[in-house]
Amino acid sequence: TQLLEQSPQFLSIQEGENLTVYCNSSSVFSSLQWYRQEPGEGPVLLVTVVTGGEVKKLKRLTFQFGDARKDSSLHITAAQPGDTGLYLCAVRHASDSWGKLQFGAGTQVVVTP
Amino acid sequence: NAGVTQTPKFQVLKTGQSMTLQCAQDMNHNSMYWYRQDPGMGLRLIYYSASEGTTDKGEVPNGYNVSRLNKREFSLRLESAAPSQTSVYFCASSERRGINYGYTFGSGTRLTVV
Repeated sequence: TQLLEQSPQFLSIQEGENLTVYCNSSSVFSSLQWYRQEPGEGPVLLVTVVTGGEVKKLKRLTFQFGDARKDSSLHITAAQPGDTGLYLCAVRHASDSWGKLQFGAGTQVVVTP
Repeated sequence: NAGVTQTPKFQVLKTGQSMTLQCAQDMNHNSMYWYRQDPGMGLRLIYYSASEGTTDKGEVPNGYNVSRLNKREFSLRLESAAPSQTSVYFCASSERRGINYGYTFGSGTRLTVV
């Protein structure tokens, strides 16, 4: 299994602040997805990125896929308590013809009022 | 609401007991998956199924078996539970294989083996 790292592991911020979380690997991805998981629930898909350098926006969330397709970042502007959750990146490695998803361990984000 | 349904939500087993985790989806998805989630280790793939009648081993298949009963249902069986299998188990489905397809997850089964 190829290594997939997310950083930081934990992030606690005040409402209104900005934050960025990262997903990195040494291998090339054919695609990358970001999920958010709330306590007691399964992960929910936020976005899929496929093309190197691609940027997607979802309201206050901005997702970027690295040019070399080995890393990604998620930036939240003016965080709100509703953004609290475990943010997981999931990748399909270019070497996997089946296209299974490998998940990172996640970044726990806590936004306090 | 359409989605993935898992049963039971909670279960406590004694070491050596067996049980089956049930999963059903009503989105007409072709592919289904079983993951386990442990603190600090993320979601790890146990088994997956591209379509009815086919199953394949994932990253951590030892101690588990699966059955793709039909297109809707994909069950996970623990034949002889061990404390190392204490975890939260998630079933997921996707429309098909491929780089653009996201997974829809159930709400999980929290299993404790004592």
